[in-house]
Amino acid sequence: EDQVTQSPEALRLQEGESSSLNCSYTVSGLRGLFWYRQDPGKGPEFLFTLYSAGEEKEKERLKATLTKKESFLHITAPKPEDSATYLCAAPNSGGYQKVTFGTGTKLQVIP
Amino acid sequence: DAGITQSPRHKVTETGTPVTLRCHQTENHRYMYWYRQDPGHGLRLIHYSYGVKDTDKGEVSDGYSVSRSKTEDFLLTLESATSSQTSVYFCAISEPNRGGEQYFGPGTRLTVT
Repeated sequence: EDQVTQSPEALRLQEGESSSLNCSYTVSGLRGLFWYRQDPGKGPEFLFTLYSAGEEKEKERLKATLTKKESFLHITAPKPEDSATYLCAAPNSGGYQKVTFGTGTKLQVIP
Repeated sequence: DAGITQSPRHKVTETGTPVTLRCHQTENHRYMYWYRQDPGHGLRLIHYSYGVKDTDKGEVSDGYSVSRSKTEDFLLTLESATSSQTSVYFCAISEPNRGGEQYFGPGTRLTVT
């Protein structure tokens, strides 16, 4: 069964305090991994796709990395506006038609 | 932003009544999805469509039906709403042959009393 697990469930950081969020997955024949940001009351917003182990993608203070078993979302010198829930998702074994989402990490950045 | 709208955005209904939620896209994406999001469960797939009149079940499809008569519209129907269907519903679109990432609508908050 395809599974995606995120940790921690919640993370509280001081502004400027860098950290990482983890996404581990058990999907045979991984075809990629997606990261999303979700603000309260809104739909998830697509951030990155990582297609193969060793790949990295960056956007402002966020950098996503991928290994054969897990992905990390590194947040460098976060600001309060980075506060959100971050979701990762992996395409199911059958292809990109369906994906399995993790339950997310709720990040709070305190000024 | 991907052109995806959902209607209504909020709805309160009584147990046993039928409810239809609408998703409309302007991106001409082939795949459309309905998810529900509940605390502790994350996003769970209800149904999805891979073309006009082509639909398939997701992991939590019981009590829900869908229809897609046009590329741009995907309807989710609760035939007889129950309190367990109180949730936030999201529509998403994707093109699996072009990266596979999904783009989400703003959501519909449904309360069944």
